[in-house]
Amino acid sequence: AQSVAQPEDQVNVAEGNPLTVKCTYSVSGNPYLFWYVQYPNRGLQFLLKYITGDNLVKGSYGFEAEFNKSQTSFHLKKPSALVSDSALYFCAVRDMKAAGNKLTFGGGTRVLVKP
Amino acid sequence: GAVVSQHPSWVICKSGTSVKIECRSLDFQATTMFWYRQFPKQSLMLMATSNEGSKATYEQGVEKDKFLINHASLTLSTLTVTSAHPEDSSFYICSAQSGMGASYEQYFGPGTRLTVT
Repeated sequence: AQSVAQPEDQVNVAEGNPLTVKCTYSVSGNPYLFWYVQYPNRGLQFLLKYITGDNLVKGSYGFEAEFNKSQTSFHLKKPSALVSDSALYFCAVRDMKAAGNKLTFGGGTRVLVKP
Repeated sequence: GAVVSQHPSWVICKSGTSVKIECRSLDFQATTMFWYRQFPKQSLMLMATSNEGSKATYEQGVEKDKFLINHASLTLSTLTVTSAHPEDSSFYICSAQSGMGASYEQYFGPGTRLTVT
């Protein structure tokens, strides 16, 4: 079965510092990976995805993610964090064999950016 | 970008009553819609996948007679929580995608908070 793991429940970072949110995956076949962000009492917003091609994927709001096949990782990064980046971040993997090609989500990582 | 709406955004109901939640794709046709449940400070739990005009596919452990899903058109899916009980209180989120394949994104609604008293 496809799965992703987010090893950190929470990440604290000072505003202006680099932000990294970790994600590792386990898939059979090609990995199709996604990052979403959730603000309080809201649905999820799409940030970026890796389907194929360049290992460095650029997304919304200045975020990027690096696909690393040898380490089975897809870490989310932002060079300079903003207080407004404080939110809940989810990594997800697409299951191409499941109904609707459903997404399976990691447990989420809460990011707190302090001024 | 693609927009998905949910109605209502929050609802309070009495134990034993039924509640219907609507999910609409506003500017695209959704071949597939998904319903999730999220407990406080936890991840999303997929409840079911629905395709327009066909029966929903429920995840293991989800009672299909309790959580009725109807995908009547390419822009509307509904989730009805029948005979609701306090343990059904949760944040329900729907999502929609316009096709099948690796690159299709799921677009999420803003969620519906259900409180059963």
